[in-house]
Amino acid sequence: GAGVSQSPRYKVAKRGQDVALRCDPISGHVSLFWYQQALGQGPEFLTYFQNEAQLDKSGLPSDRFFAERPEGSVSTLKIQRTQQEDSAVYLCASSLALSGANVLTFGAGSRLTVL
Amino acid sequence: DAKTTQPTSMDCAEGRAANLPCNHSTISGNEYVYWYRQIHSQGPQYIIHGLKNNETNEMASLIITEDRKSSTLILPHATLRDTAVYYCIVRVANYGQNFVFGPGTRLSVLP
Repeated sequence: GAGVSQSPRYKVAKRGQDVALRCDPISGHVSLFWYQQALGQGPEFLTYFQNEAQLDKSGLPSDRFFAERPEGSVSTLKIQRTQQEDSAVYLCASSLALSGANVLTFGAGSRLTVL
Repeated sequence: DAKTTQPTSMDCAEGRAANLPCNHSTISGNEYVYWYRQIHSQGPQYIIHGLKNNETNEMASLIITEDRKSSTLILPHATLRDTAVYYCIVRVANYGQNFVFGPGTRLSVLP
C-alpha cells in the first residue's frame, strides 16, 4: 500500500483480556518499529525488527508484551492480560534499510483503552 | 543518542514564519538532526533532516548552526493546518537505531 496501515484503529478491552494489534508496513520496507504513546507524551520505543528478526526488544515494558513479524512483512503486537496502564496509542513505523540517514514512515496508530 | 531541548509551546500568526528552535549541545559528528510533527490523532509525520548543511524541501527549511549544537526548523508561511507537536530528534545514521522522541514543541497557529 501507499502507507503504513494499522488495525484496529480503536480497541477497548476489559482488564485481563488479551489484545492483538496489527501493522502492515510499506511494501519492501525492511525495518519495522513499534512505539507506545501515552496521552500528552512523545512516542516511546518498544521494539525493532529487521525483516523477520527482532533485533531489539529493550523497550517492551513487561513480559506481557510480545511482538512478531514471522514473514518479514506484517507485524503483530500482542498484549496479554491487559492492565489499565497499557492504555495508550500504539504506533508502527517502517523504513527502507538504506545506509546513511533513513526516514521512518508512521501509521495512524491503534488506540487501546483498558477498562 | 544526544538529548534535545525544545520549548514546550509556541504561538505563531497565520501567514507568518514559524521558527522552532532545538538545542542539541552534545550531538556527535555522525548524528543527523531530524524533525517530525504530529497532528492530533495521527502518527508522526516526517518533515526534514540534515547533518551539517542547511536543508530545504517543500515543507520547511532546516538551519543548523556551524558548531551543530542547535538548529531551527522554519515553516515559511504557517497555516492553521500546521498546528501540531513538533519533535526534534538527533540520531546516528544506522537503520537499526531507533528514534528517541522527547516531549516536543506544541505549535499553535493562530488566525
